Amino acid sequence: SYELTQPPSVSVSPGQTARITCSGDALPKQYAYWYQQKPGQAPVLVIYKDSERPSGIPERFSGSSSGTTVTLTISGVQAEDEADYYCQSADSSGTYQVFGTGTKVTVL
Amino acid sequence: QITLKESGPTLVKPTQTLTLTCTFSGFSLSTSGVGVGWIRQPPGKALEWLALIYWDDDKRYSPSLKSRLTITKDTSKNQVVLTMTNMDPVDTATYYCAHSSTGPAMVFFDYWGQGTLVTVSS
Repeated sequence: SYELTQPPSVSVSPGQTARITCSGDALPKQYAYWYQQKPGQAPVLVIYKDSERPSGIPERFSGSSSGTTVTLTISGVQAEDEADYYCQSADSSGTYQVFGTGTKVTVL
Repeated sequence: QITLKESGPTLVKPTQTLTLTCTFSGFSLSTSGVGVGWIRQPPGKALEWLALIYWDDDKRYSPSLKSRLTITKDTSKNQVVLTMTNMDPVDTATYYCAHSSTGPAMVFFDYWGQGTLVTVSS
């Protein structure tokens, strides 16, 4: 079955830039989406269609795509950005959805 | 505003069938481009997509769980129901329902319920 692979963890100092990658063979064909999840809370959409930001999401969150890898970038990381982040996309035919393995972002 | 809430049993026994209901407001599941999906998350683990039902009653399921899942909608009641048969302890998880915005090559979940923890144990 189709898989999206993320690094388990990323550590970053406040004010620095965090980059989280998500790799999958179908990503050149399918949009990717990113979610932030804090402990005990439901996920929140932070990026859609690879690089679009929903209203209310800070500008420091951005997304990009290159080949089989998409990247979520958090510029000027703040303590409140410490959370788990998941990518989501579809298989090559668009038949079913898949979430990535998840990345824990720690703000040092 | 859009809200969703999951309801159902908090404890089920192995081999039993789980029935979860998602009751929503702020949108209609008869509107073109709208869907409702189910996603679960075992304690301490990653999100796992389960199923999605579209406004036109098209249904999609996770390939690994397809034989055990059924998703239906009742547009008049603003509800979506997910059933999962033959429950096992590994199915212990928080189950979320979510509003999905869909389009050509596009499915994402922009509003989520609070989730409901389902424990499978004898």
